[in-house]
Amino acid sequence: SAVISQKPSRDICQRGTSLTIQCQVDSQVTMMFWYRQQPGQSLTLIATANQGSEATYESGFVIDKFPISRPNLTFSTLTVSNMSPEDSSIYLCSARTGESTEAFFGQGTRLTVV
Amino acid sequence: GQNIDQPTEMTATEGAIVQINCTYQTSGFNGLFWYQQHAGEAPTFLSYNVLDGLEEKGRFSSFLSRSKGYSYLLLKELQMKDSASYLCAVKSTDKLIFGTGTRLQVFP
Repeated sequence: SAVISQKPSRDICQRGTSLTIQCQVDSQVTMMFWYRQQPGQSLTLIATANQGSEATYESGFVIDKFPISRPNLTFSTLTVSNMSPEDSSIYLCSARTGESTEAFFGQGTRLTVV
Repeated sequence: GQNIDQPTEMTATEGAIVQINCTYQTSGFNGLFWYQQHAGEAPTFLSYNVLDGLEEKGRFSSFLSRSKGYSYLLLKELQMKDSASYLCAVKSTDKLIFGTGTRLQVFP
């Protein structure tokens, strides 16, 4: 299994600013992902964070808005850029090890944009 | 495109059995997962099916029919703590695509 820590756990931000969310895994993992979960909704995949290369974004998400880094096998960041109230959501980091079938999740970052 | 559907909400009584259905149409399929998510918490893994049939794990069982694009999660001997959202997710290549989620409320 893997334990995933996210920082910050929550934040309130002004519109037009940017927030970077950090995700740290306690062991080396093969795959890391970022999801968004709007209130009362299910999880929507934003992108796959690739180690040492550009992230792979899902339809509707672009690098300029959600730049992602993954400098090594245990750490990734997601930046929410030029925020608007529509970006208010929970952002979740997920990871999978080579041996595991299931994906593990961080506790999430609850973002409110005012 | 990707389409994974679940009922939005279900209610049940403590001690009863409830079945949560999931239908999917995805561009790839490498397995189906069920996750439980309590309010304000991270999703936690419940079960995984890659072959047709029933997988049993204690009070929880999960069934898959690949030809029908259908799965269900069966919860037996319901307890109050089972009140949560239940998320069906299809593994497509290396990523998990989640369904709409089902919020289950268990009443005494």
